[in-house]
Order: sequence, then structure tokens, then C-alpha cells
Amino acid sequence: DAKTTQPTSMDCAEGRAANLPCNHSTISGNEYVYWYRQIHSQGPQYIIHGLKNNETNEMASLIITEDRKSSTLILPHATLRDTAVYYCIVRVAETSGSRLTFGEGTQLTVNP
Amino acid sequence: DAGVIQSPRHEVTEMGQEVTLRCKPISGHDYLFWYRQTMMRGLELLIYFNNNVPIDDSGMPEDRFSAKMPNASFSTLKIQPSEPRDSAVYFCASSLALGANYGYTFGSGTRLTVV
Repeated sequence: DAKTTQPTSMDCAEGRAANLPCNHSTISGNEYVYWYRQIHSQGPQYIIHGLKNNETNEMASLIITEDRKSSTLILPHATLRDTAVYYCIVRVAETSGSRLTFGEGTQLTVNP
Repeated sequence: DAGVIQSPRHEVTEMGQEVTLRCKPISGHDYLFWYRQTMMRGLELLIYFNNNVPIDDSGMPEDRFSAKMPNASFSTLKIQPSEPRDSAVYFCASSLALGANYGYTFGSGTRLTVV
């Protein structure tokens, strides 16, 4: 599975959009981009995933560049409860040998 | 659905003792995963099961660790004997499948402290 690079930490003001970048320059054509987050003292939580099209759900939007070498997770109106470590993960989803491998992630702090 | 249920939430044990962590996956999920999280190594996959059968245990640190899934609704991770370096948060997760549209659902974890 391709490796990802994320900033170690980011800050965001409450009510503003939080844009979390992820670089995955070695991504292959059959690899998906997944985002999970981990709020302190809880297990990781699935947010969103995509292959090449932009995706949106009730939690966030995922913007993937045309060359698929990077992506951005957008939390449109960040709240204090969005403070967490956000993990960008790239993996092949269709093979039995593929599973989630977590990197170090980005610590997002939402400030009042 | 109550989600993935892990017990106990916290466990403190003395070095050399046997420790058993328990997990109940979401009903109908065919895959179950055990992860360990430490400050030094982050989240590591230890082992995963498909339909109660262990598929990949390459992440299990050593022979002191063993995992079983006797039925579709229960799994255990056992450490015998435990050592201080086993102190970590252990997460269990389950998934319907490994396909693209199936995310993992994690439990709340068991915080293990070996003194």
C-alpha cells in the first residue's frame, strides 16, 4: 500500500472550515484514499473514502487532485468535538491481503 | 446496534500474569481485527480473522500473544506471561468485508497496564 505524508499538527477556529492535506504521491490506480479520526481515549472512527472523484457525506468532504497524488479532507464547520488525530490511509481495497495501516496522522485542534 | 464491544475497559496486572482481552464484533461482520496502540509505535495491526479463521497473524509480537475466535460473536486476545512492555491500548475492530465500501468499526479499546 502507498505511503502517505501528513502535517503533524494543525489548528482551526471553531466554526471555520478545517482543511487537512495528505500527500500520497506513489498511489496506484487501484488504491483508495481513506480518512479516519481518533478522538482522545476512543477508537478510530471512519470518516470518508474515495478513489478519484470528490466525495461528500454528513461528516466531511474529500477532495482528490486529478493526478491523485494528494487529497484534502474538509470539515466545513469545525466544532470543538472535531479535535482529534486525523489519519489519511491509502490501500488497495479489493484484495484479501489489504487492510488498514495507520501512520502518525495530523493532530487537529479546534480552538474556541 | 451497540457497536464493537470490548472488555474490560481498563486492566492492571502484574508482570508474569495472564491477561485476556475480549471483543464482541458487530453482528454480521465477517472480519475482526486486533490492533495495539502505543506512543512509540502508533496503531499496529496484530491479527485479523475472516469468518472466525485467523488469516494473518504476522503482527503478533511474539509467542506470548495468542488470539482466538471460537464463534462469530466473540474473540479473545491473550497475553501469557505479560510484561511491562505490553502496556498499551488494545483495540478490536470489525468489518463486513475488505472491499472498498466497507469501513472498519472500532471498539473503545482496553487500556492494559502491566506493572
